[in-house]
Amino acid sequence: AQTVTQSQPEMSVQEAETVTLSCTYDTSESDYYLFWYKQPPSRQMILVIRQEAYKQQNATENRFSVNFQKAAKSFSLKISDSQLGDAAMYFCAYRSWEYGNKLVFGAGTILRVKS
Amino acid sequence: NAGVTQTPKFQVLKTGQSMTLQCAQDMNHEYMSWYRQDPGMGLRLIHYSVGAGITDQGEVPNGYNVSRSTTEDFPLRLLSAAPSQTSVYFCASSPTGGIYNEQFFGPGTRLTVL
Repeated sequence: AQTVTQSQPEMSVQEAETVTLSCTYDTSESDYYLFWYKQPPSRQMILVIRQEAYKQQNATENRFSVNFQKAAKSFSLKISDSQLGDAAMYFCAYRSWEYGNKLVFGAGTILRVKS
Repeated sequence: NAGVTQTPKFQVLKTGQSMTLQCAQDMNHEYMSWYRQDPGMGLRLIHYSVGAGITDQGEVPNGYNVSRSTTEDFPLRLLSAAPSQTSVYFCASSPTGGIYNEQFFGPGTRLTVL
């Protein structure tokens, strides 16, 4: 079965600094998507960024970018110029056709931003 | 658009009671799903539906039933609540079951079973 591992239960970053959240996944498939979701204290799940496995170019969305290493099955999220509003739980997730297009989540990383 | 709505926001049940968590979306999405969120385990898929009249099991379906009689609604039924079902429940929807689709989540229901 597909699994998604987030090895950092908690991370801290100083405001305006850069932080990287790690994610690894296990799959034998070649066609899939990877996602990062943010869950602030309000509990609302918000899509941050997505990456198609067939695209070599790393996805970016403003201050958020990913480092996608397909061979290593690694999908880290980099947040630049961290802001207080970035404080949240971040979930890495995987989705593929072979697994019934189900979304599989990691356990999450709590990000704290210090002012 | 209201997006994905869930009711209630909070609920306390006694062991053995039954209840239905409501989920509705107004975006004409085909794909809807239910997740539960437990500390240290992320979100786990309970049941999902690829369209009206079609449902299937996810990773943790035991103790839960679903039906999809309309495109808009996807209720989750707890038949006989157990303390192990204490969790936060999220409903989500996406335009189709395509793996590239963003899933839009509701605000969640916090359920406590005593």
